[in-house]
Amino acid sequence: RKEVEQDPGPFNVPEGATVAFNCTYSNSASQSFFWYRQDCRKEPKLLMSVYSSGNEDGRFTAQLNRASQYISLLIRDSKLSDSATYLCVVNMGGNSGNTPLVFGKGTRLSVIA
Amino acid sequence: DGGITQSPKYLFRKEGQNVTLSCEQNLNHDAMYWYRQDPGQGLRLIYYSQIVNDFQKGDIAEGYSVSREKKESFPLTVTSAQKNPTAFYLCPPHNEQFFGPGTRLTVL
Repeated sequence: RKEVEQDPGPFNVPEGATVAFNCTYSNSASQSFFWYRQDCRKEPKLLMSVYSSGNEDGRFTAQLNRASQYISLLIRDSKLSDSATYLCVVNMGGNSGNTPLVFGKGTRLSVIA
Repeated sequence: DGGITQSPKYLFRKEGQNVTLSCEQNLNHDAMYWYRQDPGQGLRLIYYSQIVNDFQKGDIAEGYSVSREKKESFPLTVTSAQKNPTAFYLCPPHNEQFFGPGTRLTVL
């Protein structure tokens, strides 16, 4: 079983749509969870961390369900500029910053006018 | 780039040649990492170092070597033993927060 699995995509949605990305992870001892955004031929950029209580940043909402080992990202009112690949990332160590990250393969989103 | 320097941004080499990718940071972070990304794939861990003079193999270390003689520097050598070296290489010094611009290596 892969350590971090994401919806394969691509997701093609019209402007203004709501889109949800899902991700599961295999190691129940995982400590930290993130969503990154990656534009074509660019480095990944941290979009948001994911907490058990859920967290929201503008149009973006991230949720973590530790019991199901499941992470989600919801984008409301999609904009053309949201088009990118979204990477689900897990840190399986206890000391964030000193243990490697494990990346999902990413889900590509295309927002269409 | 938040104190991370990866150079050059694009690198071309002939098959069979070793090549060293540079990664420098001025953020005083202990841990440094090297990841590789292939088209349509997530990032995969090559090597990492949690402290000077120590490093660990990641998931795909074969054909690569590293050194960590200084806290600021973690160079990656892609040797001729690496079967498919053409890829996008990334070296974040402190995980999660940000990545530098990376180096795109193309082996001709």
